[in-house]
Amino acid sequence: AQSVTQLDSQVPVFEEAPVELRCNYSSSVSVYLFWYVQYPNQGLQLLLKYLSGSTLVESINGFEAEFNKSQTSFHLRKPSVHISDTAEYFCAVSDQLTGGGNKLTFGTGTQLKVEL
Amino acid sequence: KAGVTQTPRYLIKTRGQQVTLSCSPISGHRSVSWYQQTPGQGLQFLFEYFSETQRNKGNFPGRFSGRQFSNSRSEMNVSTLELGDSALYLCASSLGGQGSYGYTFGSGTRLTVV
Repeated sequence: AQSVTQLDSQVPVFEEAPVELRCNYSSSVSVYLFWYVQYPNQGLQLLLKYLSGSTLVESINGFEAEFNKSQTSFHLRKPSVHISDTAEYFCAVSDQLTGGGNKLTFGTGTQLKVEL
Repeated sequence: KAGVTQTPRYLIKTRGQQVTLSCSPISGHRSVSWYQQTPGQGLQFLFEYFSETQRNKGNFPGRFSGRQFSNSRSEMNVSTLELGDSALYLCASSLGGQGSYGYTFGSGTRLTVV
C-alpha cells in the first residue's frame, strides 16, 4: 500500500510571497499523483495531477508541481500567493487495489495561511 | 456538465440511529468512491462501486455499507451510529475508477452524531 507524507501541517506566508508545500510518497512503481485543495466546509477540488509525460504540471491559477521520481516527491509551488489561496491542501497518490480500480491515499494535509 | 451532487449537506443524528447518504456522480461516470474525513484520522477510503458492484472496501466495520444503482447513483448507509462516526463524508466520481481517469469530489455530507 502507498503512503503519502506532507511534512508541514501549517505554512504561514505573506501575500505575494512564494510558497512550497512538500509532499513525498512511497512507491517504486508508476504512480498517479494529485494535489487537491479544500476550502472551509467544502469538498475537495482538484488542483493539478501528474499522470505521465512532463514532470512539471501546472494549474490554471498559478500553482505548479514537479514530479521527482528519484526523490519520490511531488512538491507544490506558487511564485506569488494571494489571500484567496488560504485553504488546506492535500497531496494524494492513486493506489491500485486487488479488486481492480484504484483508491486515493491522502497525506494529512497542509494548511496554507496567507497573511497581509 | 453537472458536478458531483451529495445530499444532504448536513445531518444530525442520535447515537444508535442509522443514516443514508446519497451521491449522484457526473453523467457517464461509472465509478463512485466514498471517503470519510475526520480531524483525527484524515481522509480514509470507505469503499468503491463500479457498475453496481462493490469492487473494493476499506478498513471500516460492517456498519458501513453502500450500494450503487443502474444510473450510477450511490448511497452509503451507516447503522447503529456512534459518536466517532461524526465526520465529513465525501463522494468521488470517476469515469472508470482507474487512477488515470482522475476523481471529482462532491461537497460532502457533514454528519454529526449526538
